[in-house]
Order: sequence, then C-alpha cells, then structure tokens
Amino acid sequence: DTEVTQTPKHLVMGMTNKKSLKCEQHMGHRAMYWYKQKAKKPPELMFVYSYEKLSINESVPSRFSPECPNSSLLNLHLHALQPEDSALYLCASSQGLAGRLGTDTQYFGPGTRLTVL
Amino acid sequence: AQSVTQLGSHVSVSEGALVLLRCNYSSSVPPYLFWYVQYPNQGLQLLLKYTTGATLVKGINGFEAEFKKSETSFHLTKPSAHMSDAAEYFCAVSEGTGNQFYFGTGTSLTVIP
Repeated sequence: DTEVTQTPKHLVMGMTNKKSLKCEQHMGHRAMYWYKQKAKKPPELMFVYSYEKLSINESVPSRFSPECPNSSLLNLHLHALQPEDSALYLCASSQGLAGRLGTDTQYFGPGTRLTVL
Repeated sequence: AQSVTQLGSHVSVSEGALVLLRCNYSSSVPPYLFWYVQYPNQGLQLLLKYTTGATLVKGINGFEAEFKKSETSFHLTKPSAHMSDAAEYFCAVSEGTGNQFYFGTGTSLTVIP
C-alpha cells in the first residue's frame, strides 16, 4: 500500500479563521513533507519532518504551523491566512531511514484545495 | 545546488504518436531522477525513477526514460500517446546526500484525438 491520505479535499476559509489540514500514511515511513502548489507550477517545499522532528522549514510564514503528533500523522495548522495562500497543499511521505532523505522516493497524497477569502 | 530544466512547458501530440518530454539536470554528484505525473485536481503520482544500474527505466502506463550521463538528461518517452495521458508531468532530481527534491517547472501534455 503506497497511499497517503489527506483531509479535507477542499477547504474555504476566511482570513480570520483557524483551520487544520491532516495527512496520514501507514507505510511505516519516517519522513513526511508539506508542499504548496500554485496552478501550473511545481510543488514548493514548505516543511520536512524526519522521525517526528522538524528538519526543514523553508522560511514559511508563521501563519502556517506544522505538527507531527506521531510517525503516521502530519498536520498543518492555518491561522490568519491571506488570499495569496490559496493553493493546493500536498503532503508526501518517504522511507526516510536514518534521516537519509535524498535517496528516497516521495509518495504524494491527493492534496487539499485551499481557498482563502 | 541542483537545477532541473524541462524544455517545453506545453507539448501537444496526436493520439497514437510518440510522446517525448525533455528533462535536463545539473548535478555535481550522481543524481537520483524521477518523473511524476499530475492529473487535474490530483496529487503527484510516481511514473518511474532512476537510482543506479540500468540506465533505461520502465515505468507505469507504458512510459520509460533513459538516463544519459554525458548529456545530463532523463527524457521521458511513450511510443503511442493515449487520450488518458493528458496531464502535467514533472521531472525531479535529488542528490542522494541532500534532503530535498528539486522539481522542474513541469510540462503540460495535450493529446489531440
């Protein structure tokens, strides 16, 4: 099973709302990723967790707050977003053994389509 | 740092014709190379990957790619396009020693009936 699940599929929120995106995998992977993707563009890396610890934060604004409660679950908490944050948010996971992410294949979820009004 | 170039942001082919999507990379170390496909409003699906060994890699849905070190290329091909191949295709590279993928800018494939 190479499935990564994401909920919700679609999310519409106002600029003052607080919401969360959820990502789950049961492949025993130890690395999990959040990407942001604008239309017709490649995914942009936001965060990487390795063994439940944040290992990469690509200078993402603090209105995005990641959380990795356990090795199967990854959340992205959203607060006070701007309309330009509207995008497809993709979660991915990889084996991540011994923290060696560069040789990994990343498996992507279907994404959450976020619209900020 | 790595860079990935996908020549042609839009490619159109007739149904049944050869599909050729180009990917060139820059790397100072042996790269790991990937092709992903993204259908509208969906996530990315791995088509194929090259890590080591045989330079001609076969993937899903009849696609294959050849790693050519001398040309720093990893072009994706399919002998006969199908309407269902219409999608966005991303080439990605990692160094093996680093922690990141580097994605190309993507190529949108249109298949004309």
